[in-house]
Amino acid sequence: DAGVTQSPTHLIKTRGQQVTLRCSPKSGHDTVSWYQQALGQGPQFIFQYYEEEERQRGNFPDRFSGHQFPNYSSELNVNALLLGDSALYLCASSLTDSNQPQHFGDGTRLSIL
Amino acid sequence: LAKTTQPISMDSYEGQEVNITCSHNNIATNDYITWYQQFPSQGPRFIIQGYKTKVTNEVASLFIPADRKSSTLSLPRVSLSDTAVYYCLVGDIGYGGATNKLIFGTGTLLAVQP
Repeated sequence: DAGVTQSPTHLIKTRGQQVTLRCSPKSGHDTVSWYQQALGQGPQFIFQYYEEEERQRGNFPDRFSGHQFPNYSSELNVNALLLGDSALYLCASSLTDSNQPQHFGDGTRLSIL
Repeated sequence: LAKTTQPISMDSYEGQEVNITCSHNNIATNDYITWYQQFPSQGPRFIIQGYKTKVTNEVASLFIPADRKSSTLSLPRVSLSDTAVYYCLVGDIGYGGATNKLIFGTGTLLAVQP
């Protein structure tokens, strides 16, 4: 039973570029949440997708957008990259209306030059 | 969501029991207490979750006093591989709230030495 998988594992971009990160949830999960983790900090909630719609959003600008597909996988898009966007981007999946904890992938390390 | 306070770091030796305490004075009635473990360059891994009293699983125990304003994660006989950051989270993430956003603090860095 595969857990949460994310791709790519590492990515290097330059300022102003755009990036797309991908996430496949744990089997049986229908909800995907995205988090940004800067070095030395705890993960910060970006947004959450359920039934192909954004259900909740954290304090992130509109440059951060996402999508969820019918198979529950998800993408995180970031436009006009800034140096401060350098971080580990984590995807977590869960099952709505359950008492099961969220499961995290190992993230995508994004470096902005 | 209730704010949590936990020590920034702790040191221990192999074979010892480690207790990490988390304060959450403003915990709400529907809030659960959840602990995650994170190794460098990996995603957080769920350790244990509880609402009140004591919860035990194969890797840890969670002690929650009656007023629920604090909780203690207990790791029995730690090894070098337990060196990691441990996060305490409080929120309505029990049944029906399993998909609520998680609010992480800066966590506790546990360093286990030989």
